[in-house]
Amino acid sequence: EAGVTQFPSHSVIEKGQTVTLRCDPISGHDNLYWYRRVMGKEIKFLLHFVKESKQDESGMPNNRFLAERTGGTYSTLKVQPAELEDSGVYFCASSRRLAGQETQYFGPGTRLLVL
Amino acid sequence: AQSVTQLGSHVSVSEGALVLLRCNYSSSVPPYLFWYVQYPNQGLQLLLKYTSAATLVKGINGFEAEFKKSETSFHLTKPSAHMSDAAEYFCAVSKNQGGKLIFGQGTELSVKP
Repeated sequence: EAGVTQFPSHSVIEKGQTVTLRCDPISGHDNLYWYRRVMGKEIKFLLHFVKESKQDESGMPNNRFLAERTGGTYSTLKVQPAELEDSGVYFCASSRRLAGQETQYFGPGTRLLVL
Repeated sequence: AQSVTQLGSHVSVSEGALVLLRCNYSSSVPPYLFWYVQYPNQGLQLLLKYTSAATLVKGINGFEAEFKKSETSFHLTKPSAHMSDAAEYFCAVSKNQGGKLIFGQGTELSVKP
């Protein structure tokens, strides 16, 4: 079974540009999460999809961030326009509930550097 | 609101020595607690989780953690460190089995030969 994959692994862009991150969850996982780790800080929750619906987007920092999960499969996170403080590692995780248990499986992350 | 504090951003032990990584949590409801590990250039991997079934939780790679409600702690231990244990370790809490995880700051574990 393939794990959570993220693309690209690294991205270097200039302030003001647009970047789109992609996450492919484990097949059959309805839940998809985005997290971010800014350098030197803790990993912070951004948002949670259940299938194609946004269940919780309380962690989205501002309206420059747009997450989509059309069709309930892969998800994209777009940052437009990017600012310096958006630099960090963006993690995606997916999960499904099985026998009352649920574990989030994480991807390797996308390292974003905004110059 | 829930929060997690990991004491010590860096911990160094000798190979074969006890590993103790500290985690304290704050939660207004019975929490679900997790330890994840991140090896270089990889994603986070679940080591173990507490879901109220048993206070002593055994995980992968010889790690275990004990939930102590009176101390609001969930410290991670391993009796004998191995070089391959060098990684960053994250403690996390959530209100439910599903839903967002609240992470601590992470602890970088170094293992000296």
